[in-house]
Amino acid sequence: DQQVKQNSPSLSVQEGRISILNCDYTNSMFDYFLWYKKYPAEGPTFLISISSIKDKNEDGRFTVFLNKSAKHLSLHIVPSQPGDSAVYFCAASEAGGTSYGKLTFGQGTILTVHP
Amino acid sequence: DGGITQSPKYLFRKEGQNVTLSCEQNLNHDAMYWYRQDPGQGLRLIYYSQIVNDFQKGDIAEGYSVSREKKESFPLTVTSAQKNPTAFYLCASSTFPPGRENEKLFFGSGTQLSVL
Repeated sequence: DQQVKQNSPSLSVQEGRISILNCDYTNSMFDYFLWYKKYPAEGPTFLISISSIKDKNEDGRFTVFLNKSAKHLSLHIVPSQPGDSAVYFCAASEAGGTSYGKLTFGQGTILTVHP
Repeated sequence: DGGITQSPKYLFRKEGQNVTLSCEQNLNHDAMYWYRQDPGQGLRLIYYSQIVNDFQKGDIAEGYSVSREKKESFPLTVTSAQKNPTAFYLCASSTFPPGRENEKLFFGSGTQLSVL
């Protein structure tokens, strides 16, 4: 049962344009969402997060939008740069209890930014 | 230079053999995690530990074992009972508790395990 889904395995965009990566979740107990970026043969690095009390969080070129009613979040990268080419993972966390601190990850989306 | 060190980077396992993956952190983090990455499946949680001498099973713990004798170390043993061990293994750590900000996991660079 995939509780966090990234339905697009890959995305290709031109340098300077917007990249939009999507993520859907099914568990209504998730209340904190994170995006990680991963290069080949390396560990993921934290990119940006959003709490369920917000619908938008911005950090430089990266903005995450959360639509709780649709159980959907998206990561926008503007403008996209070739160095952004990586695998992007969406992750979610439940509040409290024994689930605290555990992240559930999506399958990842490979972003390729062409010069 | 604080961080998480995983070793070895590449590991080969023979049939019926147990192998141990090392994970050491000097971030003074309380919680440590082991994830497995398979192509097209994202990261799946194997085991996690929120405090020394205590650990819990994740979603795919069968065929694996861990220990947490020191705060800095969380080794993972892939036993012969794990029938499909070929994967990229990632160790992570975080502060614990409290606060949602502490859920930003810091990852090591991973170990690629392959079966001979």
